[in-house]
Amino acid sequence: KNEVEQSPQNLTAQEGEFITINCSYSVGISALHWLQQHPGGGIVSLFMLSSGKKKHGRLIATINIQEKHSSLHITASHPRDSAVYICAGQETSGSRLTFGEGTQLTVNP
Amino acid sequence: ETGVTQSPTHLIKTRGQQVTLRCSSQSGHNTVSWYQQALGQGPQFIFQYYREEENGRGNFPPRFSGLQFPNYSSELNVNALELDDSALYLCASSLMVLAGENGELFFGEGSRLTVL
Repeated sequence: KNEVEQSPQNLTAQEGEFITINCSYSVGISALHWLQQHPGGGIVSLFMLSSGKKKHGRLIATINIQEKHSSLHITASHPRDSAVYICAGQETSGSRLTFGEGTQLTVNP
Repeated sequence: ETGVTQSPTHLIKTRGQQVTLRCSSQSGHNTVSWYQQALGQGPQFIFQYYREEENGRGNFPPRFSGLQFPNYSSELNVNALELDDSALYLCASSLMVLAGENGELFFGEGSRLTVL
């Protein structure tokens, strides 16, 4: 069974702080998605990673395939970054996506 | 905006009824996946359609069924609705170039179903 574990479950930060959210996954997962979900439900894809590192604006995602671990970093956090961040593992077949439980991030001004 | 639209956005049904949810995929995408997200929980994979065929299914009973049309839009049908089916139903479209090589996902805003 493919599993994805995410930490922390809740995270509160002050504006400007550097934030890290971690994700571990099991064998059988060939790619990792980082997603952002705002209240109301809409999900936005931030990154899809199968190796290395990706950067988009203040967001950086890394993945270590040997350790089966990925991290999402937010630099210079802002209150508008407040959302639920979810990592999801894509199985090798390309179909099933297994979701972590999500990290509720609150950035205070 | 992702270009993936879902309808209806909200609906209320009673136990035993049937519901059809619709999803139009982003232009150029050939794959649609459906997810169920109960309140306070992470999404759960229902099934995926690739080029009009089911390509993977999660742990959902047969009363959850789907279709993908030649234009790659998709429907999710749920029969004999139960109270526990109340959830946000999300679809995501993507381009699968080769079997097993699925690309970035683009999600719709979801259809919120309440079963009374």
